[in-house]
Amino acid sequence: SQQGEEDPQALSIQEGENATMNCSYKTSINNLQWYRQNSGRGLVHLILIRSNEREKHSGRLRVTLDTSKKSSSLLITASRAADTASYFCATKSYSGGGADGLTFGKGTHLIIQP
Amino acid sequence: EAQVTQNPRYLITVTGKKLTVTCSQNMNHEYMSWYRQDPGLGLRQIYYSMNVEVTDKGDVPEGYKVSRKEKRNFPLILESPSPNQTSLYFCASSLSRAEGQYFGPGTRLTVT
Repeated sequence: SQQGEEDPQALSIQEGENATMNCSYKTSINNLQWYRQNSGRGLVHLILIRSNEREKHSGRLRVTLDTSKKSSSLLITASRAADTASYFCATKSYSGGGADGLTFGKGTHLIIQP
Repeated sequence: EAQVTQNPRYLITVTGKKLTVTCSQNMNHEYMSWYRQDPGLGLRQIYYSMNVEVTDKGDVPEGYKVSRKEKRNFPLILESPSPNQTSLYFCASSLSRAEGQYFGPGTRLTVT
């Protein structure tokens, strides 16, 4: 079952600019994770933010979480050509059901123009 | 180097011919999982395992089997592959179910 929905679906910016991607979800979560995927390759875990956290930083990445609005944002500052990739949010919940609760959105495709 | 490995990376096979995709991790992770990725559908969990001999169904388990006899290995078995199982498959592992996951490089499977 798809829970996270990223917005926008695609984003093209100039190198050096900041990129912001958003993720909305529907049910309560334990944590939210962001992943990067270069074309056809494995996903790389970027950052995890727990439901009781509001903001987290890692290098040029900044993630915010607003559980009241059921949304998260990923900000990449000073973008580089190597940041070109698809970015996925994944929500983790322990509410039971078939899957173990890590569900992925369909991703934002980010293109950094040199 | 910490990694998740999958084999084969590419496979073209015919309907009904049993196949196994292997997955191995060298990080002593307890949690392992299989996903498939399809255009327009994103990543969906097939099966997961919280520890040795403990496996459970994900969102799309039909047509797949798994086993977890050793902590490091988590093979995905397709007993009778069908064309709708043509997909890009990823194995992933993490220290526990609550942590971010390390993904393998993917296995591109085509069933004709």
